[in-house]
Amino acid sequence: AQSVAQPEDQVNVAEGNPLTVKCTYSVSGNPYLFWYVQYPNRGLQFLLKYITGDNLVKGSYGFEAEFNKSQTSFHLKKPSALVSDSALYFCAVRFRAGGTSYGKLTFGQGTILTVHP
Amino acid sequence: EAQVTQNPRYLITVTGKKLTVTCSQNMNHEYMSWYRQDPGLGLRQIYYSMNVEVTDKGDVPEGYKVSRKEKRNFPLILESPSPNQTSLYFCASSLQGRANEKLFFGSGTQLSVL
Repeated sequence: AQSVAQPEDQVNVAEGNPLTVKCTYSVSGNPYLFWYVQYPNRGLQFLLKYITGDNLVKGSYGFEAEFNKSQTSFHLKKPSALVSDSALYFCAVRFRAGGTSYGKLTFGQGTILTVHP
Repeated sequence: EAQVTQNPRYLITVTGKKLTVTCSQNMNHEYMSWYRQDPGLGLRQIYYSMNVEVTDKGDVPEGYKVSRKEKRNFPLILESPSPNQTSLYFCASSLQGRANEKLFFGSGTQLSVL
């Protein structure tokens, strides 16, 4: 069965320091991986995606993610964290559901990122 | 402005009283889906629709119904709500439901079933 795991419920970093939010996946075939962010009292916003190609993917707000096939991971990173990055982050994987449809989408449990001034 | 609109934003109801949460998108998207968000469980897919009159179950469809009679609308129906359906619900859409497409989310509906 396909699944996504975010092993850390919370990540705390100081402003200006690099941040990493971890994500691992289990899916048969090629994964289509995404990161979304949820700010307080708002819906989710797309950050970045990995489909094929370069293992380092760049996205919105200075975020990037590294796809590692051997470790089945897709960690979200940012070289220098901002207080405004504090939010709830979700990793997600899209996969075929028995036929040709990519309709099913599985999210991780979410990681609360807190950036301290 | 391109957006996914959910209504209502907040809803308090009682067990067994049928309710509908509406979802509408103005981007001519073929794919629409519903999720519920619960602490520690992340988002779980309830139903999705690849196009008009085409719907399928997600991971947690029990107790929910959907319909897709028009491309822009995808209402979520709880025929007999129970307290375990208290949750934050999100509707989302994408262009054609292809693997590489990002989702556009609504602002969410906080449902409390007493």
